[in-house]
Amino acid sequence: QIQLVQSGPELKKPGETVKISCKASGYTFTNYGMNWVKQAPGKGLKWMGWINTYTGEPTYADDFKGRFAFSLETSASTAYLQINNLKNEDTATYFCARGRGNLDYWGQGTTLTVSS
Amino acid sequence: DIQMTQSPASLSASVGETVTITCRASENIYSYLAWYQQKQGKSPQLLVYNAKTLAEGVPSRFSGSGSGTQFSLKINSLQPEDFGSYYCQHHYGTPYTFGGGTKLEIK
Repeated sequence: QIQLVQSGPELKKPGETVKISCKASGYTFTNYGMNWVKQAPGKGLKWMGWINTYTGEPTYADDFKGRFAFSLETSASTAYLQINNLKNEDTATYFCARGRGNLDYWGQGTTLTVSS
Repeated sequence: DIQMTQSPASLSASVGETVTITCRASENIYSYLAWYQQKQGKSPQLLVYNAKTLAEGVPSRFSGSGSGTQFSLKINSLQPEDFGSYYCQHHYGTPYTFGGGTKLEIK
């Protein structure tokens, strides 16, 4: 069955870097794009962008340009979200989600807490 | 960027009732609209895509309609497992914006 399994919760300090993983199984990884979605505590969903898993080309929403980076390890069917120079407002749950448009499978979410 | 406005923000209903959630796009998105359900502490799940196509395994009491800028999600005969939050999202070009969400609670 199709699964997206994300890495575990993270506790970081402001200014640090975090890298969240999303391991896909049950389908051909390079056939579907991978999206990243942010959900701040008690808030709605915010689309961060997506990465073309065939070409490796990322696309970022405007609010996520600069400190955010999507990458792949195709041989391991894994997508990554790296956030540099962490800020308190990066505290959120981050989801990976498969699809090019509508998002049909989601990871379980990775909770990131940024606090000094 | 295309803005998605969802209403109501919250809704209280009883088991067995029928409810409708609406979503308005700031420009024409044709039928490139999806609906998701999210339960507390869980990841969202796709309910409807292309405005009216039910995702696999979604009960037929859910239905989506609309095109252009006005869309709706209707849930007939609410069941206990239907309570949670609902989000619309357009997928007519990036960025794929979500609506603000509708929290459906038990009356």
